[in-house]
Order: sequence, then structure tokens, then C-alpha cells
Amino acid sequence: DGGITQSPKYLFRKEGQNVTLSCEQNLNHDAMYWYRQDPGQGLRLIYYSQIVNDFQKGDIAEGYSVSREKKESFPLTVTSAQKNPTAFYLCASSTGGQMNTEAFFGQGTRLTVV
Amino acid sequence: AQSVTQLDSQVPVFEEAPVELRCNYSSSVSVYLFWYVQYPNQGLQLLLKYLSGSTLVKGINGFEAEFNKSQTSFHLRKPSVHISDTAEYFCAVRGAGGTSYGKLTFGQGTILTVHP
Repeated sequence: DGGITQSPKYLFRKEGQNVTLSCEQNLNHDAMYWYRQDPGQGLRLIYYSQIVNDFQKGDIAEGYSVSREKKESFPLTVTSAQKNPTAFYLCASSTGGQMNTEAFFGQGTRLTVV
Repeated sequence: AQSVTQLDSQVPVFEEAPVELRCNYSSSVSVYLFWYVQYPNQGLQLLLKYLSGSTLVKGINGFEAEFNKSQTSFHLRKPSVHISDTAEYFCAVRGAGGTSYGKLTFGQGTILTVHP
């Protein structure tokens, strides 16, 4: 089945450790996105990529890093520089050339840093 | 720069009553407009989108939205809600040019609670 897969669903890490969240899509989409969701703050854009080997900072990129080496994969690393990393993270993808198309979302990863 | 403001964080309503969820946006370039719904512990799914043409857009589950360019608004409406409509609703814009090309920005969300 076509879709977006985020793994793992739940992730626990100790403070000060880097952690990488996986996002894979088989929809042949050029564009991919990472969001952080906190209660009352909606979805805040961390990074996005319109094409392989290129990505842009979103609104809250500090403390995060990404790579886009393959079309189907867009991993997000939460670094120790992120001051409040505990959150729900959502990955999405969409077609790249047509801005009027919808985004498809994964089921999310809930990260807890202790 | 682009931004989305959802004017109500929570909207309680009784079953079978009409509802309106408000959304305003700001952008220096052309944008496309979307409404998404998120049920508890799930990802987001598309309700409807505005492309061009008629300012009234119909979506799934009886929802519709009206685009108003002069007021930069895209309010979501439903004439009669059901218990199953209880969820969080998000308004979003996607930049069609300039430095916001491809950028997909969401509002803060509105929690719709339908009471029996």
C-alpha cells in the first residue's frame, strides 16, 4: 500500500543524546515536511524539502537537522541543542510541482526525553 | 513570510447545530488553502482545499469553506454537526512562489467538541 511510514511510534531518550526519527514514503512525492505538534500550538514547521539533496529551514529549525539523500526518505535528527524536545512529530509528503495538491501524513512519532 | 491564524482554540456546540471555524491567513505571495482534520491519536487527513474559481468549496463529511480574498479568510462551516465530528481542525496554506515556494504552514488548530 502507498503511504508514509514513521518509525518508531514511541521513542524514549535520555537528555543530551541525539535521536533520529525515520520517515519513509512510497508515494513518489518530491516534497517532504517535518512538523512538531504541541498542545495549543498546532503544527509548527521544522524543515521541508522540495527535491532530493535540497531542504529549507522552517519556522522552528533550531536544534534539529535533516538530510534528503533519497526521494523516499527524510530523516529528522533531534540534537542535544534542542531545549525542549519532548513532543509529537509528524512527517508529511506532497507532490512537488503542483502547490495545490494535498499533503499526506504519517501516524507520527511521540518522543519523550527524560 | 506566510502565517495562519485560527481565531478560536476551542468551539463547543450541540449536536445538529451549525458551526463555523474561522481561519485568516497572511502571505506576500499567492497561496493555496486547505482544511485538515485530526481525530485523537491519528495523523491528519484532508477535508477540503481551495484551488481557484468558485469561492465556496465543498469537502467531505458535509463540510464546506468560503474563500474571501479581500479579508484573507477561509472559514470552515457545517450546517448540522454530529457527535462524530468531534476532532481538531487545522487550516493550512501552501506558498506558490517566492521564498515561500512549497512551504506548508498550519494554524494553531481548533478543537471542535460536539455535545449530545
